[in-house]
Amino acid sequence: AQSVSQHNHHVILSEAASLELGCNYSYGGTVNLFWYVQYPGQHLQLLLKYFSGDPLVKGIKGFEAEFIKSKFSFNLRKPSVQWSDTAEYFCAVNEGYSSASKIIFGSGTRLSIRP
Amino acid sequence: EAGVVQSPRYKIIEKKQPVAFWCNPISGHNTLYWYRQNLGQGPELLIRYENEEAVDDSQLPKDRFSAERLKGVDSTLKIQPAELGDSAVYLCASSLDLAGRSYNEQFFGPGTRLTVL
Repeated sequence: AQSVSQHNHHVILSEAASLELGCNYSYGGTVNLFWYVQYPGQHLQLLLKYFSGDPLVKGIKGFEAEFIKSKFSFNLRKPSVQWSDTAEYFCAVNEGYSSASKIIFGSGTRLSIRP
Repeated sequence: EAGVVQSPRYKIIEKKQPVAFWCNPISGHNTLYWYRQNLGQGPELLIRYENEEAVDDSQLPKDRFSAERLKGVDSTLKIQPAELGDSAVYLCASSLDLAGRSYNEQFFGPGTRLTVL
């Protein structure tokens, strides 16, 4: 069965610091990978996604993620965080080539940015 | 464009009572999902509808949970009777599933936070 691991439960950074949130998944086949974000009081929304092609994908608000197949990882990065990046971040995976396969979410990482 | 609408936003009930949640997906979206999110966890799929057909309900505890999506638009999720362990946020999402695409973006509603006392 697929699973997603987010090792950092809570990350605290100062503004302008660089960010990297870890995500590892377990599935040997073709996968689609996602990062979702939930800002305080708001809906869960898609930050970025990887289907195929360039393993470095860019999302909204300056975020990017790199798919490393050999490491089963899809870490989220941002070179310089802002206070407004305070949110909960969820990594997710679903089986590729099938829109019928369900999305498996990680347990989330809470990011707190000190102004 | 209106997003996914859910009601109520909050619900507090005593155990053994029934409860129902309502979801109105984005107009034109043919696929609807119900998720449960426990505290400190990511969302877990309970049931997925394609139009009015439930195509994946393997994670729905069928002894107490039921769902319906009449006419392939709005959906309700019911728990009867509720147990203490049902306290969670119940999320609804919808997507426009197109043939041949490996993934169709899901749009989430604000959720209903259920507290069972």
